[in-house]
Amino acid sequence: DIQMTQSPSTLSASVGDRVTITCRVSQSVSNWLAWYQQKPGKAPKILIYKASNLERGVPSRFSGSGSGTEFTLTISSLQPDDFATYYCQHYGSSSPWTFGQGTRVDI
Amino acid sequence: QVLLQQSGPGLVKPSQTLSLTCTVSGASISGGGYHWSWVRQSPGKGLEWIGHDYYSWTNGYDYNPSLESRVSISLDTSKNQISLKLTSVTAADTAVYYCVAYLAGGGGRGSWGQGTLVTVSP
Repeated sequence: DIQMTQSPSTLSASVGDRVTITCRVSQSVSNWLAWYQQKPGKAPKILIYKASNLERGVPSRFSGSGSGTEFTLTISSLQPDDFATYYCQHYGSSSPWTFGQGTRVDI
Repeated sequence: QVLLQQSGPGLVKPSQTLSLTCTVSGASISGGGYHWSWVRQSPGKGLEWIGHDYYSWTNGYDYNPSLESRVSISLDTSKNQISLKLTSVTAADTAVYYCVAYLAGGGGRGSWGQGTLVTVSP
């Protein structure tokens, strides 16, 4: 199975900070990786698809990069609404479509 | 826009079968175009992909190997519903279960159901 290693597990930051979350994959998944934001009691919301494509309606301060085995989610200027947990997920022809362990972004 | 409405019991006894249904509107499950999936999240934990089914003439399902012996996902085209069955449940299966419609080739894009908390307890 493909293993996902997301880091850090917790991140403390302030409004206005630049935040970077990394997702490392045990084997190449090309660009078949998505990033999600989840708030307590809510379903995850997709932010980035195919590694670097911003989902419609998602603020441009979110960006994704990477391919193969290393991917990054960046929030250029953290806003109060961004305090949440973030997950990466790979998908495509290789099963299972594993999620990363999650990164909680705290104040 | 695909909308997913989940239903099913919130309490299941150990060793019994967990059964959930997801009613789809805004798309036909027999029309292709989506991987009809289930994802779960244990309390305070991360997300776990359970599996999916893709409507086609051949078997289009795929399951997480960690659950494969106990799980089945099926499509009811007459009712436009997706179902999840998980047998021989234990307390470790207590989780919020989400129905998800992943857009085929969509790179992770799709729609999520509202989630159903299922507690396994005597």
